[in-house]
Amino acid sequence: GENVEQHPSTLSVQEGDSAVIKCTYSDSASNYFPWYKQELGKRPQLIIDIRSNVGEKKDQRIAVTLNKTAKHFSLHITETQPEDSAVYFCAAATTAGNKLTFGGGTRVLVKP
Amino acid sequence: SAVISQKPSRDICQRGTSLTIQCQVDSQVTMMFWYRQQPGQSLTLIATANQGSEATYESGFVIDKFPISRPNLTFSTLTVSNMSPEDSSIYLCSVQNSYNEQFFGPGTRLTVL
Repeated sequence: GENVEQHPSTLSVQEGDSAVIKCTYSDSASNYFPWYKQELGKRPQLIIDIRSNVGEKKDQRIAVTLNKTAKHFSLHITETQPEDSAVYFCAAATTAGNKLTFGGGTRVLVKP
Repeated sequence: SAVISQKPSRDICQRGTSLTIQCQVDSQVTMMFWYRQQPGQSLTLIATANQGSEATYESGFVIDKFPISRPNLTFSTLTVSNMSPEDSSIYLCSVQNSYNEQFFGPGTRLTVL
């Protein structure tokens, strides 16, 4: 089955700096890659996703890139703010199978 | 997006007992899933709740321990049976829309003593 590895497990950045989280996946059939943000005590929230037919997608301060050949994808947060502090999860799925396999998560701390 | 609710939001149970968690969506959805999130960990898929047929379980999860019902397209239940302290976790349902996007319910925090 699919295996998703996520790095780093923790990330501390200064407010205004950029944060990058990287994930690798094992199943070449995976073609859907969402990212979730989970604040303490809250449910995971879908913040952005990318599908295999594109290499990059941006939404304001967040962007995702996908390299299907290398089987890795990344989340980039620019101009970080304290409210970006949370745990971020990457995931991978095949649209045919629907099942999401999650990475281990990255705890991001943005220091004011 | 769909509004998803879960009941109960939290519970404290004695070992050996069972707890049924409900997941309600305000619109019909084809795909519903149940996940477990152990303290400080990632999310692990327990099963896909299939409407009108038996749930599809992932490796390591069995129907006798986690029976699931899906009587219609807006509702599902997950039962955690014969609980032990190792079952202490957050249980989340999720629904999938036609774009394959999954959205999560608020979760049920279970503590087993």
